[in-house]
Amino acid sequence: SAVISQKPSRDICQRGTSLTIQCQVDSQVTMMFWYRQQPGQSLTLIATANQGSEATYESGFVIDKFPISRPNLTFSTLTVSNMSPEDSSIYLCSAYLPNEQFFGPGTRLTVL
Amino acid sequence: KNEVEQSPQNLTAQEGEFITINCSYSVGISALHWLQQHPGGGIVSLFMLSSGKKKHGRLIATINIQEKHSSLHITASHPRDSAVYICAVRPQGGSEKLVFGKGTKLTVNP
Repeated sequence: SAVISQKPSRDICQRGTSLTIQCQVDSQVTMMFWYRQQPGQSLTLIATANQGSEATYESGFVIDKFPISRPNLTFSTLTVSNMSPEDSSIYLCSAYLPNEQFFGPGTRLTVL
Repeated sequence: KNEVEQSPQNLTAQEGEFITINCSYSVGISALHWLQQHPGGGIVSLFMLSSGKKKHGRLIATINIQEKHSSLHITASHPRDSAVYICAVRPQGGSEKLVFGKGTKLTVNP
């Protein structure tokens, strides 16, 4: 079992600024994932973050826009850079343990 | 066409009713997840299935691998069951990435 916490839980940001979202897991996990959920849509995978290696980004997402850090087996950050209103979404952190997938409570981001 | 299709998209029920949400998928999978998302956005994993049936309290999940279909049942539904229920599959091939359905929004009225 794993419990995931995210900070901040929500934020309202101005266009052109950046926000870093933190994800903390109470267990050591190899694979962590960052998802985006745009209003009314399902979850879309942004990237897979493995400790000790560069994050692997999905089509349509780039490191310059969504830099990710994974300094150890329990922590990761996602930065949303140079934000625009189109980045308004819920951002979710997830961790995979054998036979189970855990999700954080999400960060609700509004960009004005 | 989405690889994971859920039905219905929206569902309204009266307290006490039996609820069924369906999920069909088009790829070979190693596992299927049912997830619950409350209005605040956080997601809770309800079940992970690779075959057969699982039960937890009033929730039952079944999967038919041959037919590429899964159902989530809620018995004696309650207003606190109101949430979005999401089906997600892990395609075969060794990746731990999930492919998500669009979700079913369930509202249970008292």
